[in-house]
Amino acid sequence: KAGVTQTPRYLIKTRGQQVTLSCSPISGHRSVSWYQQTPGQGLQFLFEYFSETQRNKGNFPGRFSGRQFSNSRSEMNVSTLELGDSALYLCASSLAAVGISYEQYFGPGTRLTVT
Amino acid sequence: AQKVTQAQTEISVVEKEDVTLDCVYETRDTTYYLFWYKQPPSGELVFLIRRNSFDEQNEISGRYSWNFQKSTSSFNFTITASQVVDSAVYFCALRPPTMNRDDKIIFGKGTRLHILP
Repeated sequence: KAGVTQTPRYLIKTRGQQVTLSCSPISGHRSVSWYQQTPGQGLQFLFEYFSETQRNKGNFPGRFSGRQFSNSRSEMNVSTLELGDSALYLCASSLAAVGISYEQYFGPGTRLTVT
Repeated sequence: AQKVTQAQTEISVVEKEDVTLDCVYETRDTTYYLFWYKQPPSGELVFLIRRNSFDEQNEISGRYSWNFQKSTSSFNFTITASQVVDSAVYFCALRPPTMNRDDKIIFGKGTRLHILP
């Protein structure tokens, strides 16, 4: 069974630009969550999608947005990039958003560098 | 407010020694989930364990064991007979069981574990 895949793996953007990151969950998983990891702030939850609906959102500005498609694939978008957005962005999938099966499987991440 | 504290930023031990990673959490919820994840140098987080707040039984999985003490709000992780492959950053996390829009998973800052050969 294929794991969670994230594309691209590495990305370099300039301040002010926008970026879209993609995440394909494990087949059959309907929940996708996004996280930002930086040396200073650590791992922070961005948002969670389940069946194309955003179920939960972390404390990030509106420049960070996401969506989930009918095939459970998810994208996150960051507009008007700032230097502080440089981070490892991790995507995780799970079978269900609530209940017993909340074991999350993480992808390898997308390393975003903003210059 | 919810909070997860991993006071040990970095630990180094010699291979085959036992090592315990501490995790202390704060929450006003009566039910919640606790997690441990491993992040090897490759960057991908690996799920290790999920514990429901109602289940205070300790758990052992091979060389790994977890000690959940609700009275002290701690969920410590012990690696017995450590191996070089255990070198990684380990994260403890807390999540409420509900799906209210304000609920979210909180991670500790992580403990970087070095197992020296």
